[in-house]
Amino acid sequence: DQQVKQNSPSLSVQEGRISILNCDYTNSMFDYFLWYKKYPAEGPTFLISISSIKDKNEDGRFTVFLNKSAKHLSLHIVPSQPGDSAVYFCAASALKTSYDKVIFGPGTSLSVIP
Amino acid sequence: NAGVTQTPKFQVLKTGQSMTLQCAQDMNHNSMYWYRQDPGMGLRLIYYSASEGTTDKGEVPNGYNVSRLNKREFSLRLESAAPSQTSVYFCASRRLGDGGELFFGEGSRLTVL
Repeated sequence: DQQVKQNSPSLSVQEGRISILNCDYTNSMFDYFLWYKKYPAEGPTFLISISSIKDKNEDGRFTVFLNKSAKHLSLHIVPSQPGDSAVYFCAASALKTSYDKVIFGPGTSLSVIP
Repeated sequence: NAGVTQTPKFQVLKTGQSMTLQCAQDMNHNSMYWYRQDPGMGLRLIYYSASEGTTDKGEVPNGYNVSRLNKREFSLRLESAAPSQTSVYFCASRRLGDGGELFFGEGSRLTVL
């Protein structure tokens, strides 16, 4: 059973608009969440993260929101740019425990249309 | 500034052959990971190593073995390759307490015929 879910395999957004990518998790031990961006034929690169003690973290055009009670997080990209077109992975880990696994979701392919 | 280096980048095997994917990091990270990426499945954790001398199974460990040779190196071995192991493999590392960010290599594309 997938512990990290991204239920939208793909998303298409107009340039300049907001992109919202969603992620759900099932394991209550997770206390740290990350978003990664991946271009074809490259390794994933870190985008932004959030600890479970926060409900929002912002870095430039990227904001991640965490709703612990719903076990849900979302990544907002504003404004979206064509260079943002990539696959986005949500990941979860449990930093406070010895549970050192980092589990990824299946990804959402974002297309930003000029 | 190498970061995480994986070799080889491409490999074609026949069913039943064996091979080892090598990974090395120069960031003095404690934890290292092996993932495979398949269409629609995302990145699935095969094995990880929280520190030198320790390894643990991830989500899909069957058919693989790993060795954490030292702090820098973490290898993934396929003893008897199967077509189901055709995938792109990524190695990653991180230093706990540093925000938990993983740094990835560029990937190794493996095809098993």
